[in-house]
Amino acid sequence: AQKVTQAQTEISVVEKEDVTLDCVYETRDTTYYLFWYKQPPSGELVFLIRRNSFDEQNEISGRYSWNFQKSTSSFNFTITASQVVDSAVYFCALSEATQKLVFGQGTRLTINP
Amino acid sequence: KAGVTQTPRYLIKTRGQQVTLSCSPISGHRSVSWYQQTPGQGLQFLFEYFSETQRNKGNFPGRFSGRQFSNSRSEMNVSTLELGDSALYLCASRAGTGGSPQHFGDGTRLSIL
Repeated sequence: AQKVTQAQTEISVVEKEDVTLDCVYETRDTTYYLFWYKQPPSGELVFLIRRNSFDEQNEISGRYSWNFQKSTSSFNFTITASQVVDSAVYFCALSEATQKLVFGQGTRLTINP
Repeated sequence: KAGVTQTPRYLIKTRGQQVTLSCSPISGHRSVSWYQQTPGQGLQFLFEYFSETQRNKGNFPGRFSGRQFSNSRSEMNVSTLELGDSALYLCASRAGTGGSPQHFGDGTRLSIL
């Protein structure tokens, strides 16, 4: 069965600090996809990144970076030099052959000025 | 390109009533999925439609149903509403299969009195 665990329920940091959001997943499939979504207070889920199980390259997009490690079943997300606008709930998600998304419980990130 | 549009944004119903929620996917997207988000259970998959056929279904009672029209628009129906159905209902669309990212609408917030 597929499962996603985000152990950090809430994180609060001061602006400009770096922050890492952890995501650990479980799956029996060899082909799967991992995602990160951001949910601001308005409610919509904003797609940030997708990784497939065969691509372990880390990715950097501006202040955002993602570290995918199959050996530890982790797909962590780091925000460098955080800003107040980064405050949101962040979800890690997994999809297998059925292609439905299984989400973690989310991490509420608060960036204080 | 317009995003996923969900109507209505807010809805208040009483127990025992039924409700229909609507979702218009991104133009060209043939897959539409529905998710329920509650504080206690988090984000849970309801069902997915592709080319007017239900392709996948989550673990929800038969009171939850949906359909997709030939223009890919989708509706979700909940009958005999219960207090526990109060939630944010999110619709997502995607272009194809194979792990293509799902893009979400703003959601319909349903409150049951």
